[in-house]
Amino acid sequence: DQQVKQNSPSLSVQEGRISILNCDYTNSMFDYFLWYKKYPAEGPTFLISISSIKDKNEDGRFTVFLNKSAKHLSLHIVPSQPGDSAVYFCAASSDRGSTLGRLYFGRGTQLTVWP
Amino acid sequence: GAVVSQHPSRVICKSGTSVKIECRSLDFQATTMFWYRQFPKQSLMLMATSNEGSKATYEQGVEKDKFLINHASLTLSTLTVTSAHPEDSSFYICSAEGGMQPQHFGDGTRLSIL
Repeated sequence: DQQVKQNSPSLSVQEGRISILNCDYTNSMFDYFLWYKKYPAEGPTFLISISSIKDKNEDGRFTVFLNKSAKHLSLHIVPSQPGDSAVYFCAASSDRGSTLGRLYFGRGTQLTVWP
Repeated sequence: GAVVSQHPSRVICKSGTSVKIECRSLDFQATTMFWYRQFPKQSLMLMATSNEGSKATYEQGVEKDKFLINHASLTLSTLTVTSAHPEDSSFYICSAEGGMQPQHFGDGTRLSIL
């Protein structure tokens, strides 16, 4: 049972425009959300995260929005660059305390940014 | 730079061989390490969670006698695939966390069993 869903397996965006990657979750106990970026044959790299007490977190070109009532989050990349082309994984956690604990991942969205 | 180092990056071996994969946290103490497996075009599937000094907790459907996990120190965890068979061929990724840091991942190990 997939508790974190990324319904778009791929997204193609022109350089300079905004990329919007979406993620939905079903478990209302999730209280921390992360986005990871992954290149082929490499491990995922942490991008940005958001706690459930916030609805927006921004870091440079990356902004994550959280809509708890809809159990939906999105990652905005603006402006998009060709180097952003990768698979983006949404992940969620429900463990608090000193560590984040187990992460539940979506299937990923392949982002392609073309010149 | 990398905060989690995983070795080897690629292994090709014969069926029946046991393979050990190492995962090291480089500049922080990893109280918990995780082992994931990824099939092509699939999500990362958690195999097991290991806490330093204690036995690993395996996810349902993961054979603990097949995938041996040792987390002997705060900077090292190992996954040993025992008597590997072609169906064990996959991409294995470890991650580590400590304190309030988000999980950092190793670069993964591509395991190919002939």
